[in-house]
Amino acid sequence: EAQVTQNPRYLITVTGKKLTVTCSQNMNHEYMSWYRQDPGLGLRQIYYSMNVEVTDKGDVPEGYKVSRKEKRNFPLILESPSPNQTSLYFCASRPLQFYGYTFGSGTRLTVV
Amino acid sequence: QKEVEQNSGPLSVPEGAIASLNCTYSDRGSQSFFWYRQYSGKSPELIMFIYSNGDKEDGRFTAQLNKASQYVSLLIRDSQPSDSATYLCAVATNAGKSTFGDGTTLTVKP
Repeated sequence: EAQVTQNPRYLITVTGKKLTVTCSQNMNHEYMSWYRQDPGLGLRQIYYSMNVEVTDKGDVPEGYKVSRKEKRNFPLILESPSPNQTSLYFCASRPLQFYGYTFGSGTRLTVV
Repeated sequence: QKEVEQNSGPLSVPEGAIASLNCTYSDRGSQSFFWYRQYSGKSPELIMFIYSNGDKEDGRFTAQLNKASQYVSLLIRDSQPSDSATYLCAVATNAGKSTFGDGTTLTVKP
């Protein structure tokens, strides 16, 4: 089944404790992206990658890091999480020439 | 002004009626237009996309695009309770940058 897999689905952590949210897709998509979704603010892009070793900032990159060492994987790293990063996070992928996304199931992160 | 604006909800329609969801965008360079459905607690799912002015039909769904008016809409005919969800409009430029609206929540009442 074609899918984007995120882990974990739920995560509660404390301020300052580094964490990684994994994302993997099996569709051979070149483009991968991370979004956060907050009430009243919609989906906002954090980082994106157009191919291996190519990443760029989205609209709200502060406090996040990403890497793209393999085409299928695009982990999101929060090196020192803060409470304002409490949110619902989605990884998404698409082919380069089609701009419609396949989304992962989401990760609900709470930072206390 | 937001780059992509959707009609504020929630929208409630009776079962069998036509639900009309609207979206306006500000970037005239936008080329691709998408509708996603998001059930509560779930991830967005792509249901329609349209590139050219006019209508595009897929089953009970029709997407309409008017680039001159910077307006895109989604019509759901014969609405069913299973259509109850939040619908997100997304607009993409040729560079591949996508911007999402905040969504309109639709409730279809039996």
